[in-house]
Amino acid sequence: DGGITQSPKYLFRKEGQNVTLSCEQNLNHDAMYWYRQDPGQGLRLIYYSQIVNDFQKGDIAEGYSVSREKKESFPLTVTSAQKNPTAFYLCASSSRTPFLFFGSGTQLSVL
Amino acid sequence: QKEVEQNSGPLSVPEGAIASLNCTYSDRGSQSFFWYRQYSGKSPELIMSIYSNGDKEDGRFTAQLNKASQYVSLLIRDSQPSDSATYLCAVNMNNYGQNFVFGPGTRLSVLP
Repeated sequence: DGGITQSPKYLFRKEGQNVTLSCEQNLNHDAMYWYRQDPGQGLRLIYYSQIVNDFQKGDIAEGYSVSREKKESFPLTVTSAQKNPTAFYLCASSSRTPFLFFGSGTQLSVL
Repeated sequence: QKEVEQNSGPLSVPEGAIASLNCTYSDRGSQSFFWYRQYSGKSPELIMSIYSNGDKEDGRFTAQLNKASQYVSLLIRDSQPSDSATYLCAVNMNNYGQNFVFGPGTRLSVLP
């Protein structure tokens, strides 16, 4: 079955640590996205990529980094510069239509 | 600042009733409108999309769009306890995937 796989489901970060969230899709979609969801707030775009080896900052990119070396993969690194990383992180992809398909999400918490 | 507003709820309706969820948006140039359902701890799931003024029906769901009033709504007929979830309104200005603006969501509770 086609879909988007995010891992891990839960992740804990220690002070000063970088952590990487995985996102893999087999939908053959060109575009991939990372969103952050905080309680009571709408999804906010962190980074997006429309093609391999190219990505753009979204609304809240500070403290995050991404790479897009393969069409199927779009990992997100939460760096130590992100001082408030606790949130639910959602990876999404889309084809030429504006529909977003989401992965199952990663809940990141700070130890 | 492009904004999408929703009543956070919770909206409580009895089983079998019609649930009405509302959303307003600030960008008059918005072109496409979506409703996502999100169960607690899960990812959003697309349930409806609408592009032109009027109503669009899909099973128990009806989306309504009024561009002049910058208003989009979702009606759920014959509400079931399984409909209890948070409903996210999303608006896209130009149909590019990176230009979605999401509302904070309305939490719906359907009481048996």
